[in-house]
Amino acid sequence: AQSVTQLDSHVSVSEGTPVLLRCNYSSSYSPSLFWYVQHPNKGLQLLLKYTSAATLVKGINGFEAEFKKSETSFHLTKPSAHMSDAAEYFCVVSGPYTGGFKTIFGAGTRLFVKA
Amino acid sequence: ETGVTQSPTHLIKTRGQQVTLRCSSQSGHNTVSWYQQALGQGPQFIFQYYREEENGRGNFPPRFSGLQFPNYSSELNVNALELDDSALYLCASSPRDRGVNLYEQYFGPGTRLTVT
Repeated sequence: AQSVTQLDSHVSVSEGTPVLLRCNYSSSYSPSLFWYVQHPNKGLQLLLKYTSAATLVKGINGFEAEFKKSETSFHLTKPSAHMSDAAEYFCVVSGPYTGGFKTIFGAGTRLFVKA
Repeated sequence: ETGVTQSPTHLIKTRGQQVTLRCSSQSGHNTVSWYQQALGQGPQFIFQYYREEENGRGNFPPRFSGLQFPNYSSELNVNALELDDSALYLCASSPRDRGVNLYEQYFGPGTRLTVT
C-alpha cells in the first residue's frame, strides 16, 4: 500500500530564512517521489523528482529534497525563502501496486512568507 | 510544444446528470491521469490510462469512467452526478516508458465542476 503524510498543514517563515516542509511516505515498492507547488489560481508545477538516482535532488527556484529510505522521508528545503514562495506544496508518491499504478498526493502544506 | 489543455474551464450541472470532461495531453506523452481536487484539499487520484487502457484506479465508484484515444487525448465521464462531485478536475500527462517507471506528470489548468 502507498501513503503520504505531510507533517505540517501550515508553515510560516520570514523572508530570507530557511524553509523546511516535511513529508513521510509509505510504499510496498520502490516509489517515485515528487514535490509539486500550487500557487493561488494557478496550475500544479513540478518542483523536483526522485526516481532512485541521487538521494539529494535539486529542483527549480532553489528548492531541494533529500530521500532517506531508512526514515521513509522526503523533506523539501530551501536555504532562503522569498515572498514568491508563498503557495501550497504537495508531496507525491507514484508507483505500481497490486492491480495497476497509483499516484498519491499528500494533504498539502501551506507556506506563508512574512516580510 | 503545447502543454496539457482541458475543456471546458467551468461547468455547472444538476444532480443526477452526466458530464464529460476532455483533456489533450502534451505532445509525445502516452499516459494520462485524472484527479479530483476538492476545495482546500490535495488532488485525489481517479485513474490512469496508458496506451488506451486503464492501468490504475483510485477509490472512486464505477460511475467515474474514462477513455483514452489513439492520439492519447482523454475523456473523464461522470454519471449520476452528486453534490459532492463538485470540485476541480485535473488532467496530467506523462511520457511513461514501457515498464513501470512513471516520469513527472504535467498538469492542465483543470475544469471546475459545480453540481447543484
